[in-house]
Amino acid sequence: ETGVTQSPTHLIKTRGQQVTLRCSSQSGHNTVSWYQQALGQGPQFIFQYYREEENGRGNFPPRFSGLQFPNYSSELNVNALELDDSALYLCASSPGTGSGNTIYFGEGSWLTVV
Amino acid sequence: DQQVKQNSPSLSVQEGRISILNCDYTNSMFDYFLWYKKYPAEGPTFLISISSIKDKNEDGRFTVFLNKSAKHLSLHIVPSQPGDSAVYFCAASPTLFGGATNKLIFGTGTLLAVQP
Repeated sequence: ETGVTQSPTHLIKTRGQQVTLRCSSQSGHNTVSWYQQALGQGPQFIFQYYREEENGRGNFPPRFSGLQFPNYSSELNVNALELDDSALYLCASSPGTGSGNTIYFGEGSWLTVV
Repeated sequence: DQQVKQNSPSLSVQEGRISILNCDYTNSMFDYFLWYKKYPAEGPTFLISISSIKDKNEDGRFTVFLNKSAKHLSLHIVPSQPGDSAVYFCAASPTLFGGATNKLIFGTGTLLAVQP
C-alpha cells in the first residue's frame, strides 16, 4: 500500500455534468499529479500540483482543472463531462518535482460517463 | 506520437523461467525510467527504476537494463512466479518540462501471464 488514497472509487455521471475527485498524498509528499487511464492504454499525464500551484499540464482541455490544499491533498475537477472522459483517474504523489523522485499511485477512481 | 512503446501486448512464461519485458523510447531528453506493475482494479505499483547514468539496476528478482544508444530498456524477472501475472508499464520522465515537472510518460503495457 502506497499511502495515496483516492475517493470515490467508482462513480457514474451523465454527459454534461461535473465531477470532483479527491486525493490524499503520501505522508511527506508535497507534489501531486493526476493521470487518466483509458481502457487498453497507459496512464496519460493531466497535470501536476506543487505547493498549491499548477506545475505542468498535459494535453487536456481547460475543463479539466485542479486544486492542491495546504496539507498537499488535491482535487481533480472535470466540467461538461463527455463520454470519452470515462476512464480510471489516478492520483500520484512524490516527495518533489525533480526527475528521479519515485512517483507512487493511488488505487484510482473509476468514472463512467453515460 | 507514442514516445514510449511497449510493442508486446502480452507475454506468457512458465513458472521458474525468466520473463523479459521490453520498452523503447524516442525522446533523448528522458533521463529516468521506471517500471510499474498493475493488477486489475488497482493503481500501478512501483517496481524498479533506473537513471540514465546507469545501465543496470537490480532489486531482488527484478533487474532493469538500459541501453541509451538504442533507446531501449528491459525488465528481467527471475525466477518468474504466478503472482507476477499482471500488466507491466514502462514509464519515462523527461529532464525538463515547464517548471521542472517529473511527469511520467507511459507505454501501453504488457500483460504478463506466468503459468504454474
